[in-house]
Amino acid sequence: KQEVTQIPAALSVPEGENLVLNCSFTDSAIYNLQWFRQDPGKGLTSLLLIQSSQREQTSGRLNASLDKSSGRSTLYIAASQPGDSATYLCAVSSNYQLIWGAGTKLIIKP
Amino acid sequence: KAGVTQTPRYLIKTRGQQVTLSCSPISGHRSVSWYQQTPGQGLQFLFEYFSETQRNKGNFPGRFSGRQFSNSRSEMNVSTLELGDSALYLCASSLVGTGGTYEQYFGPGTRLTVT
Repeated sequence: KQEVTQIPAALSVPEGENLVLNCSFTDSAIYNLQWFRQDPGKGLTSLLLIQSSQREQTSGRLNASLDKSSGRSTLYIAASQPGDSATYLCAVSSNYQLIWGAGTKLIIKP
Repeated sequence: KAGVTQTPRYLIKTRGQQVTLSCSPISGHRSVSWYQQTPGQGLQFLFEYFSETQRNKGNFPGRFSGRQFSNSRSEMNVSTLELGDSALYLCASSLVGTGGTYEQYFGPGTRLTVT
């Protein structure tokens, strides 16, 4: 049974720092992996999708990597800003469903 | 292009009642998935539909059901509501590749409160 874990559960850093969020999964037979952002009381915004054959994807200040063999993905956020404060979720796709981590709650202090 | 829309956005129901939630996918997307989000359990997969066929179902009781129409719009129904069904219900749509779905785009969700 696929399990997805995100570490840390919460993170508070000063503005301007570069940071890394971690996601691990137990079964490497995935179709793709997505990173999402969720603001309090809101829905989910897709940030990056990495196909199983890819190693990384970049969008602006965000970079996500995928190592299927070790069951790990990282989301790198460069030059963090207060507007980056949100909960970040990773999800792996297999058999037409997304299996989710519990999320990392990120607070960027001005 | 319009995003995924869900109606209603908020709903308050009483235990024992039933509820129907609606989801309209992004134009051209034929795969629609439903997820339940609660503080205790996080995000959990309910079911996925493609071309009016349910291809996968999560571990939820039979009180949770869904369907998809020929225009790809989808509905989910919860019968005999329980207090524990209070949650944010999220719908997502996507294009479909060989063996799985591509990037999933989520609607704003329907917040269901059962009293």
